[in-house]
Amino acid sequence: AQTVTQSQPEMSVQEAETVTLSCTYDTSESDYYLFWYKQPPSRQMILVIRQEAYKQQNATENRFSVNFQKAAKSFSLKISDSQLGDAAMYFCAQETSGSRLTFGEGTQLTVNP
Amino acid sequence: NAGVMQNPRHLVRRRGQEARLRCSPMKGHSHVYWYRQLPEEGLKFMVYLQKENIIDESGMPKERFSAEFPKEGPSILRIQQVVRGDSAAYFCASSREDRARHNSPLHFGNGTRLTVT
Repeated sequence: AQTVTQSQPEMSVQEAETVTLSCTYDTSESDYYLFWYKQPPSRQMILVIRQEAYKQQNATENRFSVNFQKAAKSFSLKISDSQLGDAAMYFCAQETSGSRLTFGEGTQLTVNP
Repeated sequence: NAGVMQNPRHLVRRRGQEARLRCSPMKGHSHVYWYRQLPEEGLKFMVYLQKENIIDESGMPKERFSAEFPKEGPSILRIQQVVRGDSAAYFCASSREDRARHNSPLHFGNGTRLTVT
């Protein structure tokens, strides 16, 4: 069974600074996808970024980038130039061939002005 | 192009009543997934359906919960004889095709918050 662990229940960052959210996972699969989702108070699940396990290059989407360490089963999210609108709950998730996502418990990010 | 539509947004039921949650997938999507989010937790997979077929229900509780995705109309998650522990946010997601190929992104609805009093 897959497990996804987010060891930081809460994180805070100053506006315009950089923050890194941690995620580790455990799987016996060799082909899988990893995701970061953002959930603001509206409860909407917003896809932030995704990484394909067979790609060594780290995914990047504007101010969001990941540090994917496949051997260590680590998948951290870096948010650069943090903005007030980045404040939300962030979930790490893994998908394997079964087409189901396994989510971590989430990290609540606060952005201080 | 409307996104995944879930209704109601909020649902209050007394213990023992039935709850019906509806999900209309995005246009052109034939695959639907239901997830449950308990307070202060991440989303947990419940069931994966295609039109008229249940593909994977390994995350569904064995009793009181059922799901369907008929040929016409929305997908329905049904909870019979609700208990306080069923209080949660229930999310639906849809995709265009078999996501085992990993080419079709998953689109989430805004969820239904069920409160059992």
